[in-house]
Amino acid sequence: QKEVEQDPGPLSVPEGAIVSLNCTYSNSAFQYFMWYRQYSRKGPELLMYTYSSGNKEDGRFTAQVDKSSKYISLFIRDSQPSDSATYLCAMSAPQGAQKLVFGQGTRLTINP
Amino acid sequence: NAGVMQNPRHLVRRRGQEARLRCSPMKGHSHVYWYRQLPEEGLKFMVYLQKENIIDESGMPKERFSAEFPKEGPSILRIQQVVRGDSAAYFCASSPQSYRDSTYEQYFGPGTRLTVT
Repeated sequence: QKEVEQDPGPLSVPEGAIVSLNCTYSNSAFQYFMWYRQYSRKGPELLMYTYSSGNKEDGRFTAQVDKSSKYISLFIRDSQPSDSATYLCAMSAPQGAQKLVFGQGTRLTINP
Repeated sequence: NAGVMQNPRHLVRRRGQEARLRCSPMKGHSHVYWYRQLPEEGLKFMVYLQKENIIDESGMPKERFSAEFPKEGPSILRIQQVVRGDSAAYFCASSPQSYRDSTYEQYFGPGTRLTVT
């Protein structure tokens, strides 16, 4: 079993829809949770960073962490074609926090 | 403020040759990480370095791979005697502070795409 599970998709939604992306994990030591966006043949771009449980909002993006369920989510409101990319969740534990463990990535397409 | 820089962006090597990948962290960042991304897979941690020190190399293959981050100059990931299975995108990331400062954000470079023929 992988430490971090993420549905690879692909996921296709119409412009303006609310997008929900999710990851589950098995290591209860994970405390730091990140979402990265990666355009084709580019490097990952840090979108959201959350410590422990709770919600964090930044513009059209909301990150949620539910440590009791070992489940994290990224919501994108008013989705735009420019949001079309692969979204990667990543997480780390305090011991060895420098080692990010990534999900496989979900490929998202927003259709105009 | 320039981001993380990697070169070359594309590298083609024949089996048995050596590959050298370079990474210059963001200005003010002293921590460098290397990750590998195989086709259709997520990123896998390889190594974490600070200046002149390897802190964690638990993700590095035992043979043929090495990394350094000298006092002056970029970090280097070196792959000796490359094989076809080494073909992948190699990403470097940097961060401004260590885990002791509770700052964990890692910022990634554009990657080097290695093709072994």
